[in-house]
Amino acid sequence: DAGITQSPRYKITETGRQVTLMCHQTWSHSYMFWYRQDLGHGLRLIYYSAAADITDKGEVPDGYVVSRSKTENFPLTLESATRSQTSVYFCASSEVRGGGTQYFGPGTRLLVL
Amino acid sequence: QKEVEQDPGPLSVPEGAIVSLNCTYSNSAFQYFMWYRQYSRKGPELLMYTYSSGNKEDGRFTAQVDKSSKYISLFIRDSQPSDSATYLCAMNTGNQFYFGTGTSLTVIP
Repeated sequence: DAGITQSPRYKITETGRQVTLMCHQTWSHSYMFWYRQDLGHGLRLIYYSAAADITDKGEVPDGYVVSRSKTENFPLTLESATRSQTSVYFCASSEVRGGGTQYFGPGTRLLVL
Repeated sequence: QKEVEQDPGPLSVPEGAIVSLNCTYSNSAFQYFMWYRQYSRKGPELLMYTYSSGNKEDGRFTAQVDKSSKYISLFIRDSQPSDSATYLCAMNTGNQFYFGTGTSLTVIP
């Protein structure tokens, strides 16, 4: 499928477990982003990547790990999930540094019990 | 203080009305200013983005940026029921993007 996809779409896990959220894009965009969306906070940037093997922290990186071994994939790992990480997670990609055109995936709804 | 402030609404208007959505920000280093539309349980989609102060028009949508006041607006003319969604403003410095909390809009037929 063309575009940007996320998996799983829904996930329930328990406190302390490791969870990995997947993001895949077919455009070969250089830049990829992970956000979380919470009521009252809007979208907040967790991590971004400018290219394969280049990642950097966003506004709320604590408790998350990312990697980017291939341009098209940008997985987000919660090493030890906490209840405060219950959220909707969005992946996005862009071909332009800093430009406005980010394309978002459909989101992953994560519930940590 | 949040980097970006946006009135969450909700905003309810009759079909055909002009809608005004606004955001204020505190960081004078912000470079691009964007408006996204998000339907329920979907990812945000870009509506418009601007780089400089002034107006930018695209069909029924007009984005306005006033850097001196640190204020941006989105106007929707002839609003339609299909415009019912949450509208997010966003801005960035380099690859650090900051979003408003979103304004929920309902256009009543």
